[in-house]
Amino acid sequence: DAGITQSPRHKVTETGTPVTLRCHQTENHRYMYWYRQDPGHGLRLIHYSYGVKDTDKGEVSDGYSVSRSKTEDFLLTLESATSSQTSVYFCAISESATLGNTIYFGEGSWLTVV
Amino acid sequence: EDKVVQSPLSLVVHEGDTVTLNCSYEVTNFRSLLWYKQEKKAPTFLFMLTSSGIEKKSGRLSSILDKKELFSILNITATQTGDSAVYLCAGYSGGGADGLTFGKGTHLIIQP
Repeated sequence: DAGITQSPRHKVTETGTPVTLRCHQTENHRYMYWYRQDPGHGLRLIHYSYGVKDTDKGEVSDGYSVSRSKTEDFLLTLESATSSQTSVYFCAISESATLGNTIYFGEGSWLTVV
Repeated sequence: EDKVVQSPLSLVVHEGDTVTLNCSYEVTNFRSLLWYKQEKKAPTFLFMLTSSGIEKKSGRLSSILDKKELFSILNITATQTGDSAVYLCAGYSGGGADGLTFGKGTHLIIQP
């Protein structure tokens, strides 16, 4: 299994509060990604990073920000959580930009916004 | 906009049956198609298909790509209860995972 740890694994928070999800990898992979998975939508890319301090927006980036100050850590922040952000969040990593060996997913973080 | 459509969305079969899962895609600058298995937690990689007509096989699972008709199938023979999962298909257009477009998945349930 790829060395990817997400924390917290489960969180319930109130609308309007800030939330940060952490992804930690021990593989020294350059590329890291945050996805959300919702019924009827499949996996959708939120933000991704191609190196320390290098990040870019994905398909559903509104309401989210990310930071990557170290190779091993990629943080996803919901500045002011809304009920529509209730979802399962997956971190993923890949070694190269061309996905020759595909990407590897973390175990997921279940977030409920009430 | 790139699009990947999987069918059926859910499927219930009995142990020992053979199943075929379908994935059609419309992906600009298509490079490859990937299949994942998701059992409640992280999706795990099954196959990456790049060339048309070449079957990839792993145990009871096999997959093939048709780049002319823009679809792929995933076959599972002699199904077991451990095959119960959501199977995800993704079209890849190059670059990093920002070039991946996922389908909604097929929820497969194998009954004893």
